[in-house]
Amino acid sequence: ETGVTQTPRHLVMGMTNKKSLKCEQHLGHNAMYWYKQSAKKPLELMFVYSLEERVENNSVPSRFSPECPNSSHLFLHLHTLQPEDSALYLCASSQDVSLLDRPYEQYFGPGTRLTVT
Amino acid sequence: AQTVTQSQPEMSVQEAETVTLSCTYDTSESDYYLFWYKQPPSRQMILVIRQEAYKQQNATENRFSVNFQKAAKSFSLKISDSQLGDAAMYFCAYRSARYNTDKLIFGTGTRLQVFP
Repeated sequence: ETGVTQTPRHLVMGMTNKKSLKCEQHLGHNAMYWYKQSAKKPLELMFVYSLEERVENNSVPSRFSPECPNSSHLFLHLHTLQPEDSALYLCASSQDVSLLDRPYEQYFGPGTRLTVT
Repeated sequence: AQTVTQSQPEMSVQEAETVTLSCTYDTSESDYYLFWYKQPPSRQMILVIRQEAYKQQNATENRFSVNFQKAAKSFSLKISDSQLGDAAMYFCAYRSARYNTDKLIFGTGTRLQVFP
């Protein structure tokens, strides 16, 4: 148990549905992240939040909408997804956004396996 | 742009034996960090070991050690005395030290099987 939980663990949704992924960290961290893990592709960073403020957005389509209401919770709102969006979505947290000389370790959640039909 | 390459999609090892997982990367930067992450079937990714590029000494964490060859841009992971619990996906990752960023660039991973 790493202190980062994600719900649901599995999600199947149609292309016209709206759903949300939830991430919660119990580690007292200030930074949270969303990653996408597709089969046979490198893990891709999607969003970075520091103290509820988005600090990085890596050209992610607008059908993915993150929300960080407080430093312990992170959501990923999904709407009108495409089949190619099917993947494992991983949430992570770290003590803070890394400084130049100190990369803080990221603690990962178990992920949500998303299937878009 | 930086890239990370793991050329071994799958590896296997006998319990108690030693296995080495390969990782190469491409960068024009001189300062950076390298990581090995382990993702067991439970899917929670955990950090195994990390290396600062400015350090010549190879990092070691118990049974895990790295062979960091900066000139060759190679960062292999050696697992000694392999255990059944070591079976997992292993990801090599790169992070720049030049910019204030948390962007980890990952390889595609190596699936390690451990046989009793």
